[in-house]
Amino acid sequence: DAKTTQPNSMESNEEEPVHLPCNHSTISGTDYIHWYRQLPSQGPEYVIHGLTSNVNNRMASLAIAEDRKSSTLILHRATLRDAAVYYCIPQYGQNFVFGPGTRLSVLP
Amino acid sequence: NAGVMQNPRHLVRRRGQEARLRCSPMKGHSHVYWYRQLPEEGLKFMVYLQKENIIDESGMPKERFSAEFPKEGPSILRIQQVVRGDSAAYFCASTAKRRETQYFGPGTRLLVL
Repeated sequence: DAKTTQPNSMESNEEEPVHLPCNHSTISGTDYIHWYRQLPSQGPEYVIHGLTSNVNNRMASLAIAEDRKSSTLILHRATLRDAAVYYCIPQYGQNFVFGPGTRLSVLP
Repeated sequence: NAGVMQNPRHLVRRRGQEARLRCSPMKGHSHVYWYRQLPEEGLKFMVYLQKENIIDESGMPKERFSAEFPKEGPSILRIQQVVRGDSAAYFCASTAKRRETQYFGPGTRLLVL
């Protein structure tokens, strides 16, 4: 069965970088790695996705290991609004399989 | 460009009643996915539909739950004879094509009394 491992929780100080790790050892060569985040009482919000090489967008960067068995979401300067649950989702087939995610707390 | 819309945002039902949850995908999107989220848990896939077709319903309970996505109008998730265990947040997501990035709606929070 597909398995994704993320820390249950992490803390960061405001305006510091945050590195959120994810292990996805059973991913296949054609499955994209997606990251979403969910703020309280809201739907998941798309953050970033990638296949093999590192990706950057206005929200974050995604660093993908060469063997694709792990990835790291990087928030370059955490703000209080970044406090959320972050989900790492390897796309197995056509469906997204959500794990429990990492709850990120940002301290002022 | 309006995002994914869901209504109602909150729904209260008594045990045994029916619940109808609606999802209007983003403009240009013809693929809809429904998920259920229990408190303090991640989202669980329920069903994937394309216009007028159910593609994958492997996550749907076998009884009382049904979903449709008609040619015209929103996708509907229907729960008959609700029980307290159906209380959860129900999210839908949409894509323009299969296996694309999914965009989620704000969810419907169902409370069964």
